[in-house]
Amino acid sequence: EVQLVESGGGLVQPGGSLRLSCAASGFTFNIYWMLWVRQAPGKGLVWVSHIDTDGKITSYADSVRGRFTISRDNAKNTLYLQMDSLRAEDTAVYYCVRDSWGPDYWGQGTLVTVSP
Amino acid sequence: DVVMTQSPLSLPVTLGQPASISCRSSQSLVDSDGNTYLSWFQQRPGQSPRRLIYRVSNRDSGVPDRFSGSGSGTDFTLKISRVEAEDVGVYYCMQGTHWPRTFGQGTKVEIK
Repeated sequence: EVQLVESGGGLVQPGGSLRLSCAASGFTFNIYWMLWVRQAPGKGLVWVSHIDTDGKITSYADSVRGRFTISRDNAKNTLYLQMDSLRAEDTAVYYCVRDSWGPDYWGQGTLVTVSP
Repeated sequence: DVVMTQSPLSLPVTLGQPASISCRSSQSLVDSDGNTYLSWFQQRPGQSPRRLIYRVSNRDSGVPDRFSGSGSGTDFTLKISRVEAEDVGVYYCMQGTHWPRTFGQGTKVEIK
C-alpha cells in the first residue's frame, strides 16, 4: 500500500524557517518524480514544487522560488521541503504527492501556520 | 501561466441524477510527446485530494465507473453518471503539460 506521511509542520513567526519531511513507503520511491502541493485554509489547491527521480531537476512556483528548496534522499525514501523567509501567505496545509502521469497518491498533509 | 477555468463553481445535484463539470485551459494541453496531461481530483470534506482521472479519460484504480473524463485540446469534462451521497466534495482539474502546474478553482458538489 502506498503511504506518504508528512511531518514538520507547525507555528512559525514571519521570516522564520521550517523543514517538512515526507516518508514514503509501499512503492519504489526512487523511480518516481515527487511534488508538494499546498492548500490555504478554505482555499483551493496550489502547486508548489516538483523534483525528478534523482534530485537533479527541480521546479518551483514563482511565489516560493528563492525561499523554498525541494530535495530528496532516495536511501531514506524521504522527500523534503526546506522553507525559509516564511510569510503569512505561506500558511497552508502542505501535501506530499507522488507523480505518476500526474499527481496520484497524496499524503494526509501537514499544517504550516506563519503568524507573529 | 496556463489558467484553468472550471464551471460551475457550485453544483447542487439530486441523488441518482447525472452531473457534469467543465474545465477549460488557456492553452492547449497537448504535450510534445503527444499526451494530454489533464487530471481530475476529488476532495471530500476533511480529506486529502484523491485522483479520479488522469490523461483526460483514464480512470484510476478503485474509482467507480460512474466517473468519466473526456475532452481534448483546451476543453475537458468530468461526468458523474448517477450522483451518490459519497460524491459530495470539491472537484479540481489540473494540467501537467506546462510549467508551472496549475489547478482549476474547484467545483463544490452538494446534494439538493
